[in-house]
Amino acid sequence: AQSVTQLDSHVSVSEGTPVLLRCNYSSSYSPSLFWYVQHPNKGLQLLLKYTSAATLVKGINGFEAEFKKSETSFHLTKPSAHMSDAAEYFCVVSVLNTGFQKLVFGTGTRLLVSP
Amino acid sequence: GAGVSQSPRYKVAKRGQDVALRCDPISGHVSLFWYQQALGQGPEFLTYFQNEAQLDKSGLPSDRFFAERPEGSVSTLKIQRTQQEDSAVYLCASSQLQGGYSNQPQHFGDGTRLSIL
Repeated sequence: AQSVTQLDSHVSVSEGTPVLLRCNYSSSYSPSLFWYVQHPNKGLQLLLKYTSAATLVKGINGFEAEFKKSETSFHLTKPSAHMSDAAEYFCVVSVLNTGFQKLVFGTGTRLLVSP
Repeated sequence: GAGVSQSPRYKVAKRGQDVALRCDPISGHVSLFWYQQALGQGPEFLTYFQNEAQLDKSGLPSDRFFAERPEGSVSTLKIQRTQQEDSAVYLCASSQLQGGYSNQPQHFGDGTRLSIL
């Protein structure tokens, strides 16, 4: 079965330092992978998606992720954190299910950014 | 507005009451999804509509949960005889095409936070 595992429940960084949010996936075929962000009391916003094109995917707000098949990983990075990046981040795999693609979410990583 | 709209934003109900949660998807979007997000967890799939047809309801926790989209636009998620374990954020998402396309994004509403006392 397709699934994702987010390795850290919380990540704390200082403003201006790099961000690394880790995600490993399990899939029996080439997966479609996404990162979504959720700010408090808000819905989910798509940051970026991987669908078997380039392995390095650039998203919004300076985020990017690299698909590494050999490591079954899809880690999210950003060179320099901003205070506004503080939020919950979800790694997501898309699963083909009876004619539609169902999103399966990881448990989330809360990113804390300190001044 | 241009996004997915959900109402109410917050709902408090007593155990045993029925509740109805509304979702207005982006105009013209074919696919509509409902998710349940328990506190501290990622969203979990509940059900999927393609236009007015409910093609998958395998994620609905029990027969107390019912969803409809009668005209292929607005959808309502109804929970009968609510229980405390139904307390969660209920998220609605829509996407433009039929659900079989893996590279199309799902656009999420801000959710309805349901609290059962």
